[in-house]
Order: sequence, then C-alpha cells, then structure tokens
Amino acid sequence: GAGVSQSPRYKVAKRGQDVALRCDPISGHVSLFWYQQALGQGPEFLTYFQNEAQLDKSGLPSDRFFAERPEGSVSTLKIQRTQQEDSAVYLCASSLSTNEKLFFGSGTQLSVL
Amino acid sequence: GESVGLHLPTLSVQEGDNSIINCAYSNSASDYFIWYKQESGKGPQFIIDIRSNMDKRQGQRVTVLLNKTVKHLSLQIAATQPGDSAVYFCAETHQAGTALIFGKGTTLSVSS
Repeated sequence: GAGVSQSPRYKVAKRGQDVALRCDPISGHVSLFWYQQALGQGPEFLTYFQNEAQLDKSGLPSDRFFAERPEGSVSTLKIQRTQQEDSAVYLCASSLSTNEKLFFGSGTQLSVL
Repeated sequence: GESVGLHLPTLSVQEGDNSIINCAYSNSASDYFIWYKQESGKGPQFIIDIRSNMDKRQGQRVTVLLNKTVKHLSLQIAATQPGDSAVYFCAETHQAGTALIFGKGTTLSVSS
C-alpha cells in the first residue's frame, strides 16, 4: 500500500477485555516497530521485528502485551486483560531495513474504561 | 527569528519568521538522527534526517544541524508557515538495528 495502515482507528475496551491491534506495513519493508504514545508525550518503543523475527521486545510493559508478525508482513499487537493505564495511542512504523527512517501509521487510539 | 537555546516545550512564532527547535540527545553512540513532525490525530511524519558523519543537512525550507561534541541537534525552519504548526520530535538511534528513541517534543505555534 501507499503507507502504513493501522486498524481500528479507535478502540474502546472495558477493563479486563483483550484487544488486538493490526498493522499493515509498507509493502517490502523488512523492519516493523510498535510504539506507545501517551497523551502529550513522545512515542515510546515497545517491540521490533525484522521480517517475522521479533528481535527486541524490551519495551513491552508487561506480559499482558504480545506482538506477532507470522509471515513477515502484517503485525498484530495484542493486549490481554486491559488496564486503564494501557490507554494510549499505539503507533506502528515500518522501514526498508534497520537504521533507516521510519514511516508511521496514524495509530490506534485505545481507551480503557 | 525565534530560537531556543535549551529544550522548551512550546515555541510561538509569527508567520514568515525563521524557527529553530533544539534537541539534546542522550547516547554518544547514536549515529543516525531524524526529525519528525506530528499533527494532531496523526502519526509522526518524517521531515529530515542526518547521519553522524555530517554536521549539516538541508531540505526544502528545513535545515538540521548536528553538534556531536555537545550531543545537540537542531531543526531550522525558514519562513515558517501556519501549516508548520505541530509537535516536533527529534529521534536517535545507532547501528545494530535498535529502535529510534524519541526526545521530548516541542509544540510549534505559528500565528498569521
């Protein structure tokens, strides 16, 4: 596609629900990143894939967060048993390779009530 | 034009002024730096990048300056326009495929 696509654009969840956020990177981009952006803050790194391999998940805040990219293209970020502190915008970004500029999607705004 | 010596969260300028946004980065091993612009409700948009073997790079109306000695990065916007109003973030990374680390944003407000 022309850019990084994320869905849904908005997600409202009740505390304790599981959610799944989808990212379609730019076609051919090897690297895929997930970031979390709290209101008024800069994006914070969550996890990174190179093709289907998850090379770094050091930014995931708890074991309730899980990401996958099984075929090296589309990625899903799953949050289990959501908590209010999970409310944020979740941004996906892709790049041709590592250490290259990232192209970001518009994000999924998650609100946990 | 308006400029900031240290990082300030907001910068207000008049249309047509030159703007300078500063950023102090943390890792002396970082060798790749990017400026992003983020408008409300959108993801960060790439503006300009620079690698550590350079100290200046110019784009259309924008210039990035890198001072590795003091670990300082700046973004200069010439003839600032209302459409430049947004939050600006600097980001850094180094070799070995680690993630971009974002700095604190600066909100640029341009009045006409």
